[in-house]
Amino acid sequence: DAKTTQPPSMDCAEGRAANLPCNHSTISGNEYVYWYRQIHSQGPQYIIHGLKNNETNEMASLIITEDRKSSTLILPHATLRDTAVYYCIVRGYNNNDMRFGAGTRLTVKP
Amino acid sequence: ETGVTQSPTHLIKTRGQQVTLRCSSQSGHNTVSWYQQALGQGPQFIFQYYREEENGRGNFPPRFSGLQFPNYSSELNVNALELDDSALYLCASSKYSGGATDTQYFGPGTRLTVL
Repeated sequence: DAKTTQPPSMDCAEGRAANLPCNHSTISGNEYVYWYRQIHSQGPQYIIHGLKNNETNEMASLIITEDRKSSTLILPHATLRDTAVYYCIVRGYNNNDMRFGAGTRLTVKP
Repeated sequence: ETGVTQSPTHLIKTRGQQVTLRCSSQSGHNTVSWYQQALGQGPQFIFQYYREEENGRGNFPPRFSGLQFPNYSSELNVNALELDDSALYLCASSKYSGGATDTQYFGPGTRLTVL
């Protein structure tokens, strides 16, 4: 699977959009981009995933660049409860496991 | 809430003992994956069970073993516990489609401490 690179930490003001970047420059054509988050000591929570097109659900939007070498997770109106570690995962089509890296620790501040 | 449940919530064992952790999958899911998360690190894949058989394994020794039952629930067994086995053990359930479109939904985890 392609390796991902994320900033170790980010801050965001409450009510503002949080934009979390992920670099996956070695991604191949059949690999998906997944995002999970983990609030302290809880199990990871699925957020969103995509292959080529941008995706949106009730939690977030996923923007994938045209060359697929990077993506951005957007939380449109961050709240204090969005403080968590966010993991960007590239998953091969035939892979049955999720390969987590270190993630980005997002802190939403009042 | 994902509907994935794990028991127990916390567990303390001593080195050399054996432990069994349990997971009930979300309704409609037939696949269970197990992960180990050491403090300060991301989860690491242990193995996956589908149709009551192991369907992929990460870089873990054979003393980590598992079972899946006809109702799709699963157990993780760890023999000869070592101090480094202290971690949060997570299970995730999914509906098998054979690839990366199987979205995995995680339970709350079991915190194992080995003394």
